[in-house]
Amino acid sequence: AQSVTQPDIHITVSEGASLELRCNYSYGATPYLFWYVQSPGQGLQLLLKYFSGDTLVQGIKGFEAEFKRSQSSFNLRKPSVHWSDAAEYFCAVGLTGGGNKLTFGTGTQLKVEL
Amino acid sequence: SAVISQKPSRDICQRGTSLTIQCQVDSQVTMMFWYRQQPGQSLTLIATANQGSEATYESGFVIDKFPISRPNLTFSTLTVSNMSPEDSSIYLCSVAKLGLEGETQYFGPGTRLLVL
Repeated sequence: AQSVTQPDIHITVSEGASLELRCNYSYGATPYLFWYVQSPGQGLQLLLKYFSGDTLVQGIKGFEAEFKRSQSSFNLRKPSVHWSDAAEYFCAVGLTGGGNKLTFGTGTQLKVEL
Repeated sequence: SAVISQKPSRDICQRGTSLTIQCQVDSQVTMMFWYRQQPGQSLTLIATANQGSEATYESGFVIDKFPISRPNLTFSTLTVSNMSPEDSSIYLCSVAKLGLEGETQYFGPGTRLLVL
């Protein structure tokens, strides 16, 4: 069965600083990969996704993520963080070829210092 | 993408009672999902709801506790039955939309449930 690890439970960055949130997965084939964001009191919003092709994917709100097969990673990055980016970020893995089920990581809580 | 709404957005319930949560999507979808997010935790899939068939439950979740209906391609309900304080969670529905490369799940805003 697939699994997802987000090693950082909490991260604090200063506004304007760069950000990288880590995500590692375990799966026998190339999975579908997703990053979602959950703002306080909100549902999950899709930031970006990777299915195949170019390993650097662009998402909404200035986020990008890079799929590295050799490292089984899909880290999320943003060059300059805004205070409104404070939220919880979830990495998720889906099965290729259908099945539809998503396995979520435990999440990383991002705090932005002004 | 998909626009998903859930009702109620939040509720406070007494133990032993039941609550039905509604999920409405703005387009027809084959697969809908129900997740639970316990306080401070990640999301756990409860069940997959396909129109015209019984819901498929994940390990640890049973139909008697979480009955699901899926009467059409835009609507589903999840009932949390005989509630206890341990059922206090956020319940989220999601839908799978098929694109050119694969399927993406989009989530509703969630229902925040507190059981006293």
